[in-house]
Amino acid sequence: GDSVTQMEGPVTLSEEAFLTINCTYTATGYPSLFWYVQYPGEGLQLLLKATKADDKGSNKGFEATYRKETTSFHLEKGSVQVSDSAVYFCALSEGTGFQKLVFGTGTRLLVSP
Amino acid sequence: DVKVTQSSRYLVKRTGEKVFLECVQDMDHENMFWYRQDPGLGLRLIYFSYDVKMKEKGDIPEGYSVSREKKERFSLILESASTNQTSMYLCASKTGTLRGYTFGSGTRLTVV
Repeated sequence: GDSVTQMEGPVTLSEEAFLTINCTYTATGYPSLFWYVQYPGEGLQLLLKATKADDKGSNKGFEATYRKETTSFHLEKGSVQVSDSAVYFCALSEGTGFQKLVFGTGTRLLVSP
Repeated sequence: DVKVTQSSRYLVKRTGEKVFLECVQDMDHENMFWYRQDPGLGLRLIYFSYDVKMKEKGDIPEGYSVSREKKERFSLILESASTNQTSMYLCASKTGTLRGYTFGSGTRLTVV
């Protein structure tokens, strides 16, 4: 079945450091890819998405590019802030049927001042 | 913005109790979902519904049931709560098009 693999956390960075969170996927079809963020005590919020190969999703300084050849969707940010501390989930959704989301296990990001 | 509201943020229930978790969305979305979130396991799909009175099992339906009598409301039922059902429960909804889901804030359930 479909699956998503994320790098283990926590990822600990200082403010203004460069962030990469790796995400790779396995899918039988041609999925859409998502990054969700969960701030402490809250539900998940959609951060960005991409629906086809070479698409780049971006939001709030975060970016991720849909790489079909490497089945990857790595999340990057050039300069993190303390307020970016959260858990980040990579997910995929097949383009047909009920479009269930399949999630990775999440990566906790801790940014210190 | 679409709003998905879960009725309780925190619940404490006793083993063997019947537990109802309620979820309401306000944008006429066809599809609704229940996930549970556990450390190291991410989010796992319990049940989903693509229309009123329609339901489908997800990856971990054992010990749970659902009800969708109205389009806006999707209830998760723990028939006889057990300690291994202590978890964060997240409800989500979406339209039929290729868009991301909208999640509720979650219900943290503790079964003692």
